[in-house]
Amino acid sequence: DVKVTQSSRYLVKRTGEKVFLECVQDMDHENMFWYRQDPGLGLRLIYFSYDVKMKEKGDIPEGYSVSREKKERFSLILESASTNQTSMYLCATTGAANEKLFFGSGTQLSVL
Amino acid sequence: AQRVTQPEKLLSVFKGAPVELKCNYSYSGSPELFWYVQYSRQRLQLLLRHISRESIKGFTADLNKGETSFHLKKPFAQEEDSAMYYCALSGGSFQKLVFGTGTRLLVSP
Repeated sequence: DVKVTQSSRYLVKRTGEKVFLECVQDMDHENMFWYRQDPGLGLRLIYFSYDVKMKEKGDIPEGYSVSREKKERFSLILESASTNQTSMYLCATTGAANEKLFFGSGTQLSVL
Repeated sequence: AQRVTQPEKLLSVFKGAPVELKCNYSYSGSPELFWYVQYSRQRLQLLLRHISRESIKGFTADLNKGETSFHLKKPFAQEEDSAMYYCALSGGSFQKLVFGTGTRLLVSP
């Protein structure tokens, strides 16, 4: 089965800090995604990548950037964390268009 | 633009009652539609997709293009069905999924 690993389950950071969220998948998938999950708002796409060094903005990219230096790793970067970025962050991957997404277990980020 | 609407934040039913979780979508092309589920303390996972037309855990969903709906149904709810359910839409050739806001299903004994 596909394994999608997010480096931290819980993270607490201070306003203004630079934050890295890491995601690793073990299935050689081309496509990787970062979503944030908020009550009442559902899942919103932040960024996605369909190949190494390629990235595309999702629906809410402001305040975030990403890095895809290796196929298996997709990092989400908060350049200067703010309190409104407190959220559950979900990484996902899929091998082909319109196939199912495999999700990581999520990182609950609190920005104080 | 792609848009998914789930009008109910919470749906509470008794065990054995029928369940229908509503999902409406907006998309000008031919959509791919999915239902994802998140059980307590588990990761989000695919429940079913319209293209496969299969029934999973007793749930079914029919794509109604005329009403632009993809409602999730189960004739007899079980307590283990209690979870968060998300409807999702993919348009175009690339798997960029747009999710609805989710419906929490609570099945009481």
